[in-house]
Amino acid sequence: EDQVTQSPEALRLQEGESSSLNCSYTVSGLRGLFWYRQDPGKGPEFLFTLYSAGEEKEKERLKATLTKKESFLHITAPKPEDSATYLCAVRTSGTYKYIFGTGTRLKVLA
Amino acid sequence: NAGVTQTPKFQVLKTGQSMTLQCAQDMNHNSMYWYRQDPGMGLRLIYYSASEGTTDKGEVPNGYNVSRLNKREFSLRLESAAPSQTSVYFCASSEGVLGTAQETQYFGPGTRLLVL
Repeated sequence: EDQVTQSPEALRLQEGESSSLNCSYTVSGLRGLFWYRQDPGKGPEFLFTLYSAGEEKEKERLKATLTKKESFLHITAPKPEDSATYLCAVRTSGTYKYIFGTGTRLKVLA
Repeated sequence: NAGVTQTPKFQVLKTGQSMTLQCAQDMNHNSMYWYRQDPGMGLRLIYYSASEGTTDKGEVPNGYNVSRLNKREFSLRLESAAPSQTSVYFCASSEGVLGTAQETQYFGPGTRLLVL
């Protein structure tokens, strides 16, 4: 069964304290891995798409990487405004269906 | 551009009542999706429409119906609401070209539904 697991469930960081969020997956054929940010009471906001192992994408303090079994979202010197829930999702071969993880709730303290 | 809009923002229903959740996008996207989000669970796909005129079941379609009214609009109907359908519902859209940046999904603000 295709599955996406995110860890940790929740993470508290001090402002400036870098860390990484993990998204591990077991799917029959990965065709894309997606990272989203979700603020309370809002819809998910797209961050990155990764298609192949070794690929990396960066945006401001965020950097996403992909291996054959997992993806990491690295947050460098986070600020309080980076506080949100970060979701990852995968798409498998030949389908429009996307499987989402349960997310990591990030809190950055000033 | 408003992006993806959803109505209503919040709704309370009694068990057995029916309602339709509306979704519209102004990005000329081909594909549209309905998800539900429950505490402790990831977003789960209810139905999707890869292109105008087509709809397909997702992971949790039971108790729901959809209509792709035109390229812009994709509605979700609950014929006889049940407490288990209490959730936050998100609509999303994408240009729909798999394997490219155009498959990125853009989400609406959500509809919070409470079934008593």
